[in-house]
Amino acid sequence: KAGVTQTPRYLIKTRGQQVTLSCSPISGHRSVSWYQQTPGQGLQFLFEYFSETQRNKGNFPGRFSGRQFSNSRSEMNVSTLELGDSALYLCASSLGGSPGVETQYFGPGTRLLVL
Amino acid sequence: QKEVEQDPGPLSVPEGAIVSLNCTYSNSAFQYFMWYRQYSRKGPELLMYTYSSGNKEDGRFTAQVDKSSKYISLFIRDSQPSDSATYLCAMSVPGNQFYFGTGTSLTVIP
Repeated sequence: KAGVTQTPRYLIKTRGQQVTLSCSPISGHRSVSWYQQTPGQGLQFLFEYFSETQRNKGNFPGRFSGRQFSNSRSEMNVSTLELGDSALYLCASSLGGSPGVETQYFGPGTRLLVL
Repeated sequence: QKEVEQDPGPLSVPEGAIVSLNCTYSNSAFQYFMWYRQYSRKGPELLMYTYSSGNKEDGRFTAQVDKSSKYISLFIRDSQPSDSATYLCAMSVPGNQFYFGTGTSLTVIP
C-alpha cells in the first residue's frame, strides 16, 4: 500500500501571500489530520477531517483552514502568511472510526518558509 | 502549562548503551500513549503504542506508563547508530486529538 503523500515538499512564500498544501491519505483511510511542527513548539494539532467534515480543531487562528474531498484527499490553506508560519506541516491519516485511539500514519511533510 | 512536557536534549550516547527517554503530562484523562521516531526530513513513524498504565516490550524497545505519576518512558537497549533520530511522545483521550511532546534528539555514536 502506498503511504501518505504530501505535495509540494518545499515552498517559499512571502508575508501576506496565501498557500495551499495537499495531502493524499493511505487508501481506505477516511480521517486526515494536519499538524504544524516547529523546533520550539513541537507538533501542534491544527484540525482533523473525517468524511468531508471537520471533526476536531486545534487552537490556531482562522487564517488556517482546511477541507476534505469525497476521495478523502485533504487540502490545508493558510492565508495572509506571517513569518511565524514557517514550519513543517505534517498530514496524518487513519481509518477514522475511533479518533484519539487509532494509529496515525504520517506523510513526509511540506516545509514552508515565509520570507 | 503545556499538556505534554519532553526534554528536547540533545542526547548523545555510545553504541550499545541503554537510552531512557521521558515525558510528563498534566491531563489525567489521557488513556493512550505512543512513542514516535522521526528521522531527519521524514514524517514521524509509530514505534510503541500502549493503553493505560504498565509496560510493553517490542524487541529492543520498552515503553512504560505510570499514570499515578503522569510519567511515561521509552527505553532502548543495545542502542545502534540507526537509532539516531528525534523521539516524540504522544498521548490522547478517546474521541479527541493527539497531544505531542516537542521531541528528544538522540545521537548514537559508533
